[in-house]
Order: sequence, then structure tokens, then C-alpha cells
Amino acid sequence: EIVLTQSPATLSLSPGERATLSCRASQSVSNYLAWYQQKPGQAPRLLIYDASNRATGIPARFSGSGSGTDFTLTISTLEPEDFAVYYCQQRSNWPRTFGQGTKVEIK
Amino acid sequence: EVQLVESGGGLVQPGGSLRLSCAASGFTFSNYGMSWVRQAPGKGLEWISYISSSSSTIYYADSVKGRFTISRDNAKNSLYLQMNSLRAEDTAVYYCAGGYISGWSYWGQGTLVTVSS
Repeated sequence: EIVLTQSPATLSLSPGERATLSCRASQSVSNYLAWYQQKPGQAPRLLIYDASNRATGIPARFSGSGSGTDFTLTISTLEPEDFAVYYCQQRSNWPRTFGQGTKVEIK
Repeated sequence: EVQLVESGGGLVQPGGSLRLSCAASGFTFSNYGMSWVRQAPGKGLEWISYISSSSSTIYYADSVKGRFTISRDNAKNSLYLQMNSLRAEDTAVYYCAGGYISGWSYWGQGTLVTVSS
């Protein structure tokens, strides 16, 4: 099973700041990595697929990068609606696995 | 508008059974593989099962293998999860999810399963 480790667990930032979230895989997943956003009481929402492709309707302030074992989700300028939990997920192998999540909170 | 609507959750005793359903609309359900993903209270996301568009390929997480069965009825645009031998650690919100293989664009609102005596 591929283990995804996200860091940091919590990121305390102010609106307008830049957020950088990390996801590290226990073995190479090529570029088969997605990022999801989840707000309290809501289902996850797909942000990024295949490491760097924005899903339909996702603002350009969200970007993804990386390949192999190291990946980054960047939110260039935090908007109030971006404070949420973010998960990475790999589709390289079964079982599909998620990282434990990074909470982006208002400082 | 794409919609996935789960149902069938509730309170069940340890060792009991439940059948979850997920009704799809707004997209061609029969074209897509579908998964069930759960989230225990206050915890992260856990993928638990996948079924391909034609039901020819099925996978389970080790945590549910032998106890849960995924199925689908493309004529009814519906996905199912039969859950047997339920344990306290199965308590979670259960989501159905699907879309392109590259990422799950479609998610339901979730249904809560509570396993407790």
C-alpha cells in the first residue's frame, strides 16, 4: 500500500497570503496524484488531477506540481473561501490511498 | 446538473448489516467506474471499494474485504454497498464518488452509518 504523508498538518495563514502544501508518497506514483478540498459538512471537491491539471471550474490561484514521490499544492493568494482541509490521493496502485490532510486555517 | 444521492445509512448494532444506495443523475452513469469512500468522525478520507463501469473489475480495501460487497445497476443508474458484520470502527460518513479515472469529480453528500449497541 502506498502511504501518502502530508505536511504540515495545519497551516495558519491570513487571507492574501500564499499557501504551500506538501504530499510525499512512500513510493513513486508517477504523476497520478490528485488534490481535494473539503469544507466542514461538505463532500470533497476535486481541485487538481494528474499532479498539475486543474479540474473544471477551479480558480487559477490553485496550482499543483511534482512527480514521483514529492508533490506540492500551491494557493497563490488565499481567499476567505479557501480555508479548508486539503487531501492528496494517489491512483497509481490499488488500494487508492489518501494523505491524512492539511488544514488551512485563518491566522 | 450532476447529482449523486446516497441513502440507507443509520444506526445498526455490531454484527449487523446495512445496504447503502447511491442514485446518480445528470451524467452517463454507465460510462464511469465508481467508488465508495468513508470518513470516520473527525478523521480523514478512506477509499473502501471500486467497481468498473461494466462491473467486471472490483477492488476492496483490506479493512472491508470479505464483509462488504459493491455492486451497480446501470439500468437504474444506481450504485450499492452491502455491508455485513459491521463493527464499531465502520462508523463513518459514506460517500459515493466517481468520474474520470484521473480524479473523482462527482461526489454525493454522504450518508452516516453508526455502529453501536
